[in-house]
Amino acid sequence: DVKVTQSSRYLVKRTGEKVFLECVQDMDHENMFWYRQDPGLGLRLIYFSYDVKMKEKGDIPEGYSVSREKKERFSLILESASTNQTSMYLCASSPEGAPPYEQYFGPGTRLTVT
Amino acid sequence: GENVEQHPSTLSVQEGDSAVIKCTYSDSASNYFPWYKQELGKRPQLIIDIRSNVGEKKDQRIAVTLNKTAKHFSLHITETQPEDSAVYFCAASGSNYGQNFVFGPGTRLSVLP
Repeated sequence: DVKVTQSSRYLVKRTGEKVFLECVQDMDHENMFWYRQDPGLGLRLIYFSYDVKMKEKGDIPEGYSVSREKKERFSLILESASTNQTSMYLCASSPEGAPPYEQYFGPGTRLTVT
Repeated sequence: GENVEQHPSTLSVQEGDSAVIKCTYSDSASNYFPWYKQELGKRPQLIIDIRSNVGEKKDQRIAVTLNKTAKHFSLHITETQPEDSAVYFCAASGSNYGQNFVFGPGTRLSVLP
């Protein structure tokens, strides 16, 4: 059974703070993703990684960075949190495949920036 | 790039009726179309998917149809039950996007008892 976990369910940070969101998957998946979910906008891709130390920008990378030092762990970093980054953040992973395979999601982290 | 539209944004049906959610995509190279269900406070979970070499797929009360010519695909839920109440997301992916999906904005389905 695939398990994707995220470090926090709820997080409250102040404007200007550096924020780390961590995601861990236990299925040896090559691909990992970070999404942001906002009402009426669906899931928007921030960054993804298809291998250790590899990263690619998604649709809304501004204000974010990522790190993937180990295959099972993918971190999202907000260098200087702003109020417009208040959102639900979802991590996902999937095995490599063509066409692609199902993405498995973590439980999400609801981040509030005050 | 790929753009996925989804309609309606909200849908209310009586228990036992059918529900249909429609999505359109823009890139003819897209070849994989998953549907995710997200219950309140929970993570999105795949409920059904279809690949571009198939026109229709069914799993119990859920079916998905794909029209490649028109670039649209639909989710059909029959005999709806209260536990079908959730937000449903369609997505599209293809060779131009690697392993990525582009998601629609979601449909909030409410099944009324």
